[in-house]
Amino acid sequence: AQKITQTQPGMFVQEKEAVTLDCTYDTSDQSYGLFWYKQPSSGEMIFLIYQGSYDEQNATEGRYSLNFQKARKSANLVISASQLGDSAMYFCAMEVAGAGSYQLTFGKGTKLSVIP
Amino acid sequence: GAGVSQTPSNKVTEKGKYVELRCDPISGHTALYWYRQSLGQGPEFLIYFQGTGAADDSGLPNDRFFAVRPEGSVSTLKIQRTERGDSAVYLCASSPGTGERDEQYFGPGTRLTVT
Repeated sequence: AQKITQTQPGMFVQEKEAVTLDCTYDTSDQSYGLFWYKQPSSGEMIFLIYQGSYDEQNATEGRYSLNFQKARKSANLVISASQLGDSAMYFCAMEVAGAGSYQLTFGKGTKLSVIP
Repeated sequence: GAGVSQTPSNKVTEKGKYVELRCDPISGHTALYWYRQSLGQGPEFLIYFQGTGAADDSGLPNDRFFAVRPEGSVSTLKIQRTERGDSAVYLCASSPGTGERDEQYFGPGTRLTVT
């Protein structure tokens, strides 16, 4: 079975500063994908970034980057130059390939608050 | 283009009643997923459709839950004899269905409250 652990229920960051949201995962599969989603108070899940288990380079998407450490089974999200609009819940999720379904297993999330 | 839509946005029902929740995926997306998100938790997988068939229903909690996608587009999640523990936000997601690394696009969810 797959498991995602997000140990930070809440985080605060000053506007324009960088912040790291932690995510560790557990799987016995060799091929998997890691996702980060943002969920504002409106409730919709917004895709941010993806990292495949065989990708050699850390993924980046604009202000988002994923610090992927395979040996430690961690996939931390780094948000640079935080903006007030970044205040939201952030979920780390994992997809295991080859299981016949591409369902995502989510962590419990981290609530990020950006302080002006 | 239009994203994933879900109706109703809110549903309040009495314990024991039957409810239907609808999901309209992005046009052309063959894969469709249902998730349930309880308060303070991440979404939990319920069922996955590839086309018209339920390819994986391992997340359905019991036989009171059922979902269909008869024409490979719109899907309906059906809950019989609702219980208070069914109260949650039900999220639908669709993806192109090309396999792994398929980004799932989520709808706004239906908030179900069972009184």
